[in-house]
Amino acid sequence: DAGVTQSPTHLIKTRGQHVTLRCSPISGHKSVSWYQQVLGQGPQFIFQYYEKEERGRGNFPDRFSARQFPNYSSELNVNALLLGDSALYLCASSLVGANYGYTFGSGTRLTVV
Amino acid sequence: GDSVTQMEGPVTLSEEAFLTINCTYTATGYPSLFWYVQYPGEGLQLLLKATKADDKGSNKGFEATYRKETTSFHLEKGSVQVSDSAVYFCALTTNSGGSNYKLTFGKGTLLTVNP
Repeated sequence: DAGVTQSPTHLIKTRGQHVTLRCSPISGHKSVSWYQQVLGQGPQFIFQYYEKEERGRGNFPDRFSARQFPNYSSELNVNALLLGDSALYLCASSLVGANYGYTFGSGTRLTVV
Repeated sequence: GDSVTQMEGPVTLSEEAFLTINCTYTATGYPSLFWYVQYPGEGLQLLLKATKADDKGSNKGFEATYRKETTSFHLEKGSVQVSDSAVYFCALTTNSGGSNYKLTFGKGTLLTVNP
């Protein structure tokens, strides 16, 4: 069975640009979350979606947005990129919620120059 | 708010040594506790979990016991291998007011095991 898949794996963008990151959850998983991991730090929660509805949002600016599609895949969008947005962006899926343990993808490494 | 504090790394051990990585937490509700592992260049993998006090999570020789009285969830392994070299993250989620949706992570502890 395929795990959580994310695309692209690496990305280089210029300040001020926009980026879209994509995630496909494990088949049957309806909950998808996004995390930002800055080098040397633990992942920070950005969004969670369940059954295509936003269930939670972390302390991130409005430049960050996301959505979940009918097939439960998800996109994370970041507008007006800043150098500080450079990080590993992780997608995680779960059957219901975090108690069951999320399965993480390998992430998208975003570099903003 | 919720928070997780892990022992500072890096931790360097010789093969077959005993491993302990300390983790303590602060939570507004009744948390579930997790250890995740991140190998170089990869995403996070769930290593073990415990959802109520005194539960012991275990996997691949690693163990951690949910200690409510000391708000701790220390990770242990009796004999580490070179292949255990990775970054280990302690994390929690709380089932409080329907907010059972996000993981709060510690900063991670880098473990290097030398042959």
